[in-house]
Amino acid sequence: QQQVKQSPQSLIVQKGGISIINCAYENTAFDYFPWYQQFPGKGPALLIAIRPDVSEKKEGRFTISFNKSAKQFSLHIMDSQPGDSATYFCAASSGSGNTGKLIFGQGTTLQVKP
Amino acid sequence: KAGVTQTPRYLIKTRGQQVTLSCSPISGHRSVSWYQQTPGQGLQFLFEYFSETQRNKGNFPGRFSGRQFSNSRSEMNVSTLELGDSALYLCASSLALTPGELFFGEGSRLTVL
Repeated sequence: QQQVKQSPQSLIVQKGGISIINCAYENTAFDYFPWYQQFPGKGPALLIAIRPDVSEKKEGRFTISFNKSAKQFSLHIMDSQPGDSATYFCAASSGSGNTGKLIFGQGTTLQVKP
Repeated sequence: KAGVTQTPRYLIKTRGQQVTLSCSPISGHRSVSWYQQTPGQGLQFLFEYFSETQRNKGNFPGRFSGRQFSNSRSEMNVSTLELGDSALYLCASSLALTPGELFFGEGSRLTVL
């Protein structure tokens, strides 16, 4: 019940295309859903996050869509660029006492071809 | 503002040895969390410290331990190393105001031979 399932494992997109990564969860106690981006040799960096009281959040080319009833959320990268090539992790956390505890998905390696 | 600093960046140990990893959080951050990253298991939560107290613990054996000092710096220790402990160990700090808003260091790459 603590799992967050992420798909696809890898993704290849042409420059200018839309990259879509999906995640699903079971634990209804989760109340914060961040996405992290990780480049080789670096630690993950927070990209964008959403709470379950909104269905969509957009920041620049990055959008999170959230479906509370289906317990699913997804990351959309519009106008994908080669510089977006990285590994993306969805995650979930619950409660104010768990500020440092995240349950991560398995990650998606994105390659954007020029 | 300096980011999260982890030392050492790389280390090689043999089975049965122990290792101590260090983490200096972003100035003003009182929460420090540790994660293990491996190709097979992904990112897994080890523990979280807040104001020198362990607040959360993941599903790892007792060989994995940690502590936090009064200046918020943290260390984690792994005793009796096993081959499967080879991983990237990531430290993350936060203001502990928003769940999941973590700032990660670049990690300590541990290889156990």
